[in-house]
Amino acid sequence: DTGVSQNPRHKITKRGQNVTFRCDPISEHNRLYWYRQTLGQGPEFLTYFQNEAQLEKSRLLSDRFSAERPKGSFSTLEIQRTEQGDSAMYLCASSSGFGFSGKQETQYFGPGTRLLVL
Amino acid sequence: RKEVEQDPGPFNVPEGATVAFNCTYSNSASQSFFWYRQDCRKEPKLLMSVYSSGNEDGRFTAQLNRASQYISLLIRDSKLSDSATYLCVVNKAVSGGYNKLIFGAGTRLAVHP
Repeated sequence: DTGVSQNPRHKITKRGQNVTFRCDPISEHNRLYWYRQTLGQGPEFLTYFQNEAQLEKSRLLSDRFSAERPKGSFSTLEIQRTEQGDSAMYLCASSSGFGFSGKQETQYFGPGTRLLVL
Repeated sequence: RKEVEQDPGPFNVPEGATVAFNCTYSNSASQSFFWYRQDCRKEPKLLMSVYSSGNEDGRFTAQLNRASQYISLLIRDSKLSDSATYLCVVNKAVSGGYNKLIFGAGTRLAVHP
C-alpha cells in the first residue's frame, strides 16, 4: 500500500499525558498537512510543511502542540499535557505541488489517529 | 459565519432517487473547489473537483457558481453504497501557492432499500 499511513490508529490517554502521532506521506509528495476533526465537523487545518519547512500554523495549534518533519519525509505531531478538549481524529494529508497557486492539487488523506483523552 | 456552509442533513432517500447537496462559501478569493466523501470513522476521500463549467463523473455532477459563491453536487440513481457524509471543500488562497483546504461540516446521506 503506497498511500498515506498514520500511527497509531487509536490512542487513549489520561489528561496531562503527552502523546505523539506519526504520519508517513506518499513517498514523492513534498507537501504535508495536519488536520483535526471533531464529531459532526469537517477537518480543520492545523499546520503545513513543504519539505522540512513548517510554513503555516493555525491558531488552533496552541503552544502545547508541536509538529516536525525533520527530513522532509515523515512527520510527527506531539501534544503535551493533553486536555479532554484535544479528543478528536487527527488526520494527515500529503500532496505534490511546486508552489504555484490555483493548481487543482489533490490532497490524499491518511486513515487518521483517533485520540481519546480521559 | 463559517467559511464553508452546508446543510448537515441527514438526507434519507430510497435507492434510485436523485439527490442534490448545496454549499456556500464566503471567501471570494477561493480558487479551487472539491467534493470529498467520508465514510463513518474513515478518512475523507476526493470524490471530484469542481470546475466553473460544471463537470460530471458517472452519476455525479458538480456545479460551481462563482458569482453566488455556491457549489452543488447532484447524485443520480442513488445506490446503497452512496451512503456517507459529503464534504464541500474550498481552497483558501494563501501566499506560497499551496492549497489550504477549508472544509464544510458535511452533509449526511443515507440511501435505503
